Amino acid sequence: NAGVMQNPRHLVRRRGQEARLRCSPMKGHSHVYWYRQLPEEGLKFMVYLQKENIIDESGMPKERFSAEFPKEGPSILRIQQVVRGDSAAYFCASSPPNAGADGNTIYFGEGSWLTVV
Amino acid sequence: DQQVKQNSPSLSVQEGRISILNCDYTNSMFDYFLWYKKYPAEGPTFLISISSIKDKNEDGRFTVFLNKSAKHLSLHIVPSQPGDSAVYFCAAVGSSNTGKLIFGQGTTLQVKP
Repeated sequence: NAGVMQNPRHLVRRRGQEARLRCSPMKGHSHVYWYRQLPEEGLKFMVYLQKENIIDESGMPKERFSAEFPKEGPSILRIQQVVRGDSAAYFCASSPPNAGADGNTIYFGEGSWLTVV
Repeated sequence: DQQVKQNSPSLSVQEGRISILNCDYTNSMFDYFLWYKKYPAEGPTFLISISSIKDKNEDGRFTVFLNKSAKHLSLHIVPSQPGDSAVYFCAAVGSSNTGKLIFGQGTTLQVKP
């Protein structure tokens, strides 16, 4: 998973604050995915983006969460007014087009651990 | 609705023996499956994948078997090594060409020296 860069690796926020998590995909990858792993659970899909486009946000909570992948710069997952239940590991992944269909695979970053106190 | 299930939360095997990790799925439209390995405080690392048009794929010590009629896949690690101790996730591609993954809950493998 070298090449998918996430920062910060660890973030502590008080309830009500905002959290911003960044993800730079692997070189040559135009697709970004965000996943969340709650304690003792598997990874859950949140959102899939291409440059300047949200393709699938079916896993995103309806409120307080947003994601973007601008033309320039990293993808950002933004959580407004954080609550304790947002404490989790957030993983970004990237892929070239047609991941899964023709043998390309999805590579993950090392994650950002959000703790809400 | 858990579309991908790993019913064994943990597995312990002796070094040198075979490790078999199992995964079941419910959606017959899945057409691509992947296995990931994850250490604590790190991201998942891709291990091996299989297309639904195949029933076996092998890469070194790792082999994945797919039984479409049973909606079941398994990962075999032979021989198991202590460094294989980690959490293993199976995942299915939710819809073709998007790369959106549906993960199982994970199985923690412990390989004892």
